[in-house]
Amino acid sequence: RKEVEQDPGPFNVPEGATVAFNCTYSNSASQSFFWYRQDCRKEPKLLMSVYSSGNEDGRFTAQLNRASQYISLLIRDSKLSDSATYLCVVNRGNNDMRFGAGTRLTVKP
Amino acid sequence: EAGVVQSPRYKIIEKKQPVAFWCNPISGHNTLYWYLQNLGQGPELLIRYENEEAVDDSQLPKDRFSAERLKGVDSTLKIQPAELGDSAVYLCASSARSGNTIYFGEGSWLTVV
Repeated sequence: RKEVEQDPGPFNVPEGATVAFNCTYSNSASQSFFWYRQDCRKEPKLLMSVYSSGNEDGRFTAQLNRASQYISLLIRDSKLSDSATYLCVVNRGNNDMRFGAGTRLTVKP
Repeated sequence: EAGVVQSPRYKIIEKKQPVAFWCNPISGHNTLYWYLQNLGQGPELLIRYENEEAVDDSQLPKDRFSAERLKGVDSTLKIQPAELGDSAVYLCASSARSGNTIYFGEGSWLTVV
């Protein structure tokens, strides 16, 4: 079993749709959590950190459930520009960052 | 501020040949990572440095891969000899000691033929 698991998708949604991605992690000692975005043939870039209380950045909402070792990302009112691969990232401690395989999203007109 | 710089961007080599990748992290970042990314997969850690010390190289195939970070700044990753299965993107990343965000370079795209 991989340490960080994501639904690979692909998710194909129309513009304006709401879409949610899930991620689970196996190391209960993991300390911090992130969502990264990766465009085709580009490097991953930080989308947002994930806090225990949940956090929102515009149309994006991230949630963390430590008891279930589960992280989610919700995108509301999807835009064409949201098409990308979304990577779940877990910090095991001391900057030991592990990535999921990514969930691919395509937003269509 | 300059980001993480990697070179070369693209490399095509024949199998059994050596190849080397170079990375210059963001100034002041103590932690440096080398990740391997295959098509359709997430980045997989090869090696992590804290300053010049390799603190995690458990996933580095040491029979053919080697890395160094002299003086705790730039780093090189070498493959010798390369195999067909080594074709992938090699991503370098760095982070500050006290921070959690890691910043990636554009990657070195390797094709072994």
